[in-house]
Amino acid sequence: DADVTQTPRNRITKTGKRIMLECSQTKGHDRMYWYRQDPGLGLRLIYYSFDVKDINKGEISDGYSVSRQAQAKFSLSLESAIPNQTALYFCATSDSLGQGKGYGYTFGSGTRLTVV
Amino acid sequence: DQQVKQNSPSLSVQEGRISILNCDYTNSMFDYFLWYKKYPAEGPTFLISISSIKDKNEDGRFTVFLNKSAKHLSLHIVPSQPGDSAVYFCAASPETSGSRLTFGEGTQLTVNP
Repeated sequence: DADVTQTPRNRITKTGKRIMLECSQTKGHDRMYWYRQDPGLGLRLIYYSFDVKDINKGEISDGYSVSRQAQAKFSLSLESAIPNQTALYFCATSDSLGQGKGYGYTFGSGTRLTVV
Repeated sequence: DQQVKQNSPSLSVQEGRISILNCDYTNSMFDYFLWYKKYPAEGPTFLISISSIKDKNEDGRFTVFLNKSAKHLSLHIVPSQPGDSAVYFCAASPETSGSRLTFGEGTQLTVNP
């Protein structure tokens, strides 16, 4: 089993629909993140959580919400999907790389979302 | 405001030669710099990192160089192999952000046999 599992892998939805992307991890990490990838823009942070009771907005949180149901689960919701939310979405966990080395991420395989 | 920039969307090199991927940043508060590699239909995977107190870190065929005065880092892959063909993302974080990473746009590396 993958360390970070995202479901669904692909999804097509209509404008105005509510959709939830799910993420679960077996790494035992406290820190979890949601990023979206767009061509030419790289990965941009939507929301992050440093533990179950901690939720923080990233740089592009408008139109999104999250829920940290447990240490292992972090879901992303689009309350009313719009076409410019069409993107590749990644969930990730992080852990320290060691003293003075920062944090390394483990990413899921991504969810390709298309809003029509 | 793109704090981490990878100005080359793509790079093509011959197998066995050196690949040099570049990254520039604007935030002088960044303390850690990381490179991630991404294959199609997979999530990015961690490759190598460097702390701002160092100017070089080496791991096998991969070496990252940091020039703080120029706010520039580069990833060298020697020798390049066809399996290195992937998108490479540069990322950075300040110590004060905890573990939040700011990513560049990515560079598609193609290594030709």
